[in-house]
Amino acid sequence: DVKVTQSSRYLVKRTGEKVFLECVQDMDHENMFWYRQDPGLGLRLIYFSYDVKMKEKGDIPEGYSVSREKKERFSLILESASTNQTSMYLCASSWQQTQYFGPGTRLLVL
Amino acid sequence: SQQGEEDPQALSIQEGENATMNCSYKTSINNLQWYRQNSGRGLVHLILIRSNEREKHSGRLRVTLDTSKKSSSLLITASRAADTASYFCATGASGNEKLTFGTGTRLTIIP
Repeated sequence: DVKVTQSSRYLVKRTGEKVFLECVQDMDHENMFWYRQDPGLGLRLIYFSYDVKMKEKGDIPEGYSVSREKKERFSLILESASTNQTSMYLCASSWQQTQYFGPGTRLLVL
Repeated sequence: SQQGEEDPQALSIQEGENATMNCSYKTSINNLQWYRQNSGRGLVHLILIRSNEREKHSGRLRVTLDTSKKSSSLLITASRAADTASYFCATGASGNEKLTFGTGTRLTIIP
């Protein structure tokens, strides 16, 4: 079974802090994704990566950056957290267009 | 940008009844998928139907796809309390692994 893990289930940060969300997959998938999920808005793609060190902006990349130094790990970085980044963050990896999700990180920015 | 829109936004039915939810999308697709999300958790892939397929079954799930109407439906037969979750459709295009998700249908099964 594919396993995608995320570093934290719940996270509370203060405005202006730098925040790292980590995602690890164990199936050697080339493609990995970061989404945020907000009520009524569904899942919105922040960034995705199609190979090590390769990344592409999604629909809402502003205020975020990503890092993929190893194939199994895809990190989402909030350079300076703001209250409007309070959300559920979901990581996924994919194979043949089927996506496998981690359990999510619920981030609260105060 | 949102591609899929699910309908209804919320659905409550009695245990044992069938649940039907619909998805409409806007552009050409290579495949359409349905995912389930239990409260506060990640999404789980349920079923994928390719653009050249019209119907697909998996256990108690039946998915139809009408590319001329740009719509799909997910039928869950003989519903159980454990089916209570949000259901999302997602569309994929040729040439890349990205999916575009809809806003979901929240299904509640009443015991």
